[in-house]
Amino acid sequence: ETGVTQTPRHLVMGMTNKKSLKCEQHLGHNAMYWYKQSAKKPLELMFVYSLEERVENNSVPSRFSPECPNSSHLFLHLHTLQPEDSALYLCASSLIAGSEAFFGQGTRLTVV
Amino acid sequence: KNEVEQSPQNLTAQEGEFITINCSYSVGISALHWLQQHPGGGIVSLFMLSSGKKKHGRLIATINIQEKHSSLHITASHPRDSAVYICAVHNTDKLIFGTGTRLQVFP
Repeated sequence: ETGVTQTPRHLVMGMTNKKSLKCEQHLGHNAMYWYKQSAKKPLELMFVYSLEERVENNSVPSRFSPECPNSSHLFLHLHTLQPEDSALYLCASSLIAGSEAFFGQGTRLTVV
Repeated sequence: KNEVEQSPQNLTAQEGEFITINCSYSVGISALHWLQQHPGGGIVSLFMLSSGKKKHGRLIATINIQEKHSSLHITASHPRDSAVYICAVHNTDKLIFGTGTRLQVFP
């Protein structure tokens, strides 16, 4: 248990659906991250939030929309996804951007 | 070519064997992580180091900044060590990940 909780753990959605992934941490961390892990590829950074402000968007398509309402919660809103978006989506947090990261268990997303 | 390279990609071992996983990187770093990812996806940070050597239980991590190389050693390996081990480096405020080494330890 790392202190970073992601829900749901598994999600199957159609290409026309809208769904959201949730990440929660009560570690007192000020930075939160979304990563994507596709098969046989390194983890890819998607978004970084620091003090609830987005500080990095790594050329992620607009069908992925992050939201950070407070320093403890991070969402990833999904709409009109493609099958190639099927992957493991990992949330992480750290005390400040760039310090040691603690990862959630991930959400295994399948787009059908 | 990836900025962070790990070897081997896959590794099988018998219980009790000494295991070494290597990580080489080509960028400037402030620190290097070794992460463990279990089936199902959860990732745990094993070590964060910027110089020298760290030990935790049966795990040892070393880093040579001049050679841009790090190793993760597991002594007296056990089937519960079976996982994917990922090397990640801090470059400015980003983490750059290797592709991971899949380790299977058989009884």
